[in-house]
Amino acid sequence: AIQMTQSPSSLSASVGDRVTITCRASQGIRKDLGWYQQKPGKAPKLLIYAASTLQSGVPSRFSGSGSGTDFTLTISSLQPEDLATYYCLQDYNYPYTFGQGTKLEIK
Amino acid sequence: QVQLVQSGAEVKRPGASVKVSCKASGYTFIDYVIHWVRQAPGQGLEWMGWINPNTGGTSSAQKFQGRVTMTRDTSNNTAYMELSRLISDDTAVYYCARKLTISGWVLIDYWGQGTLVIVSS
Repeated sequence: AIQMTQSPSSLSASVGDRVTITCRASQGIRKDLGWYQQKPGKAPKLLIYAASTLQSGVPSRFSGSGSGTDFTLTISSLQPEDLATYYCLQDYNYPYTFGQGTKLEIK
Repeated sequence: QVQLVQSGAEVKRPGASVKVSCKASGYTFIDYVIHWVRQAPGQGLEWMGWINPNTGGTSSAQKFQGRVTMTRDTSNNTAYMELSRLISDDTAVYYCARKLTISGWVLIDYWGQGTLVIVSS
């Protein structure tokens, strides 16, 4: 199975900050990667698919980049409502695998 | 609007089985694969498997093979995930989610609200 290594596991940032989360795949996965946001007590929500395509309705401050093995989720200007845990998910092959998650806290 | 509505919380004894339902509405049920994902308390997301509601075909992560059964009832637009021989480590919130494919790219775009399964003696 493809291993997804996500970092950092947690981070604290201030409103307005630029935030970057990374995911590294144990083998090349083209651009078959999604980013999901999970708020406490809620189901995950799709933010980005195909590594860099913004899902409809998602604020433009979210962006994704990368291909092959290295991927990045960026929040350009952190907002209070971005408090959540973020996960990457490789959908290149089965079994799909998630990164371990990044818990984002607002200072 | 697309909705996936799951069955309610369950408490089970070790060794028992649990069957979680996921009722779809707002779209053509047989056109989209349903995935199952679980999340243990305070832990990350774990992919379990999928079912194709059109064909009934399934695939699951090796970890769950032999213990998980995914089925569907197309007359009721409902997918089911049954996990047998439960142990305490199976205590988790179980999610169903719809897979959409756009130009070959995968989106897991709609999720159920989650079903808490507690395994305890």
